Amino acid sequence: TQLLEQSPQFLSIQEGENLTVYCNSSSVFSSLQWYRQEPGEGPVLLVTVVTGGEVKKLKRLTFQFGDARKDSSLHITAAQPGDTGLYLCAPLTSGTYKYIFGTGTRLKVLA
Amino acid sequence: EAGVAQSPRYKIIEKRQSVAFWCNPISGHATLYWYQQILGQGPKLLIQFQNNGVVDDSQLPKDRFSAERLKGVDSTLKIQPAKLEDSAVYLCASSLKSSSYNSPLHFGNGTRLTVT
Repeated sequence: TQLLEQSPQFLSIQEGENLTVYCNSSSVFSSLQWYRQEPGEGPVLLVTVVTGGEVKKLKRLTFQFGDARKDSSLHITAAQPGDTGLYLCAPLTSGTYKYIFGTGTRLKVLA
Repeated sequence: EAGVAQSPRYKIIEKRQSVAFWCNPISGHATLYWYQQILGQGPKLLIQFQNNGVVDDSQLPKDRFSAERLKGVDSTLKIQPAKLEDSAVYLCASSLKSSSYNSPLHFGNGTRLTVT
């Protein structure tokens, strides 16, 4: 059984601060997606990373896929209240063809 | 494009009652998923359809949960009889084709079920 861990579980920071959240596993992934979920809504795709060591930027968000494709991180620069939400990683494992979601990191950015 | 539609948004039932949820995916999306999201957790896949066939239902509690996608378009998920631990948000998602990194999931806003 694939173990998928996201950390931290909860994070409360002030507007303007930087933060990093992590997604770790003992399994190798063929690709990994990050989603953000706001209260009362479904998750929305932020990015897909495919290649080991890949770095993708989405405005103030920087996503990195580990060299061994077992882990990923999301760094937010100068967080804003609009970044508040549940951040979920969803790796895709070769051969299973299904997305398994982590437990998520719940982020709250205070104005 | 219109998003994934789900109804109802909220449902409160007593344990041992039955309930059904409905999902209409994005037009043209061949793959449809039902996820269960318990408070404080990430979504857990219950069942995955490719057109009107089941691809994966390994985590569906088949003694009480059933799902169908008869014409390969919309889908219903039923719980009968409900238990207290079924209280959760039930999310429907669709993708253009089967799980692939270049075919991401599009989620509806979910149905929040409370079992009392």
